[in-house]
Amino acid sequence: DAGVIQSPRHEVTEMGQEVTLRCKPISGHNSLFWYRQTMMRGLELLIYFNNNVPIDDSGMPEDRFSAKMPNASFSTLKIQPSEPRDSAVYFCASSSNSYEQYFGPGTRLTVT
Amino acid sequence: TQLLEQSPQFLSIQEGENLTVYCNSSSVFSSLQWYRQEPGEGPVLLVTVVTGGEVKKLKRLTFQFGDARKDSSLHITAAQPGDTGLYLCADLSGTYKYIFGTGTRLKVLA
Repeated sequence: DAGVIQSPRHEVTEMGQEVTLRCKPISGHNSLFWYRQTMMRGLELLIYFNNNVPIDDSGMPEDRFSAKMPNASFSTLKIQPSEPRDSAVYFCASSSNSYEQYFGPGTRLTVT
Repeated sequence: TQLLEQSPQFLSIQEGENLTVYCNSSSVFSSLQWYRQEPGEGPVLLVTVVTGGEVKKLKRLTFQFGDARKDSSLHITAAQPGDTGLYLCADLSGTYKYIFGTGTRLKVLA
């Protein structure tokens, strides 16, 4: 049974470029979370979807960040334009209830 | 805003030693979870504790929840290199929002 799938695993881009991170949640899970992890700030929730609908995007740092979930099996997190301070590991997690989240392997983003 | 402080930040020990890491909250936990994150991977849930004073065991790992539900500890007996990783505590705030702690980075040397 496949876990949460994220792509790409690593992304290096120049400042000002658009970056799109992708996530495929576990089949049957109705909740999807995007997190960002840095040494300075730890693991932070960016946005939460339930049944494909964004419920809480209060963690999205600014308008340069946007997330979509067009169907139950796919979500994207887009940064446009990217900045060096966006460098971090971005995780997607999915859940079928409120108590157990399954994390993907993450995308390590470096913006130069 | 709730703050979860974990200590120590870093810990390096020899294989076979015992260790304890701590998680302290600025407010009462709703539902405390412990995760382990290995290098290059996402966090993996180890345990969920809900009741004050609760103790749970998972093989060589013992999780304790404080009576006042504001602190928790994770004790590892006879640590092994496979225990190496980042240990995170987290609290469920509301119905879906998890607040994660600052983490303890453990390295077990063979």
